[in-house]
Amino acid sequence: DGGITQSPKYLFRKEGQNVTLSCEQNLNHDAMYWYRQDPGQGLRLIYYSQIVNDFQKGDIAEGYSVSREKKESFPLTVTSAQKNPTAFYLCASSLRRDSNQPQHFGDGTRLSIL
Amino acid sequence: GNSVTQMEGPVTLSEEAFLTINCTYTATGYPSLFWYVQYPGEGLQLLLKATKADDKGSNKGFEATYRKETTSFHLEKGSVQVSDSAVYFCALSLARSNDYKLSFGAGTTVTVRA
Repeated sequence: DGGITQSPKYLFRKEGQNVTLSCEQNLNHDAMYWYRQDPGQGLRLIYYSQIVNDFQKGDIAEGYSVSREKKESFPLTVTSAQKNPTAFYLCASSLRRDSNQPQHFGDGTRLSIL
Repeated sequence: GNSVTQMEGPVTLSEEAFLTINCTYTATGYPSLFWYVQYPGEGLQLLLKATKADDKGSNKGFEATYRKETTSFHLEKGSVQVSDSAVYFCALSLARSNDYKLSFGAGTTVTVRA
């Protein structure tokens, strides 16, 4: 079955540590996205990528980094510069060429601070 | 810029009640409109969409009509079930400079009691 797989489901970060969240899709989608969700708020865009080896900052990119070396994979690193990383992180993908196409979401990773 | 405003929750209903969640948008151009649903601990799932004025999206008993004159896309269901308890997000997508980003509302939490 095609879909988006995020791992791990739960992740804990120590002070000063970088952590990487995995996102893999087998939908053959061109575009991939990372969102952050805080309680009672909508989703905020961190980074997005429309094609391999290219990505753009979203609305809240500070303290995060990404790479897009393969079409199927778009890992997100939460660096020690992100001072408030506790949140639910969602990865999504879509067909790039048509804004009518919906985004498909993974089940999320919940990141907490130890 | 593009933005989505949806009614604040939480909304609590009894089973078989009528549900309406208001959503209005601001966009330069002609957006595609979406409703997503998020069940506890999961990612977002597309519920329905509409891509042009007067289109009606429908799925699982939910409906929403794209009203260009009132810039609205209100979600309705005639008879809710306990299993409809979730967070509902209204979103829009507008192709600009080949960026097909979604703008989300803050989400409305719906609880249906038996």
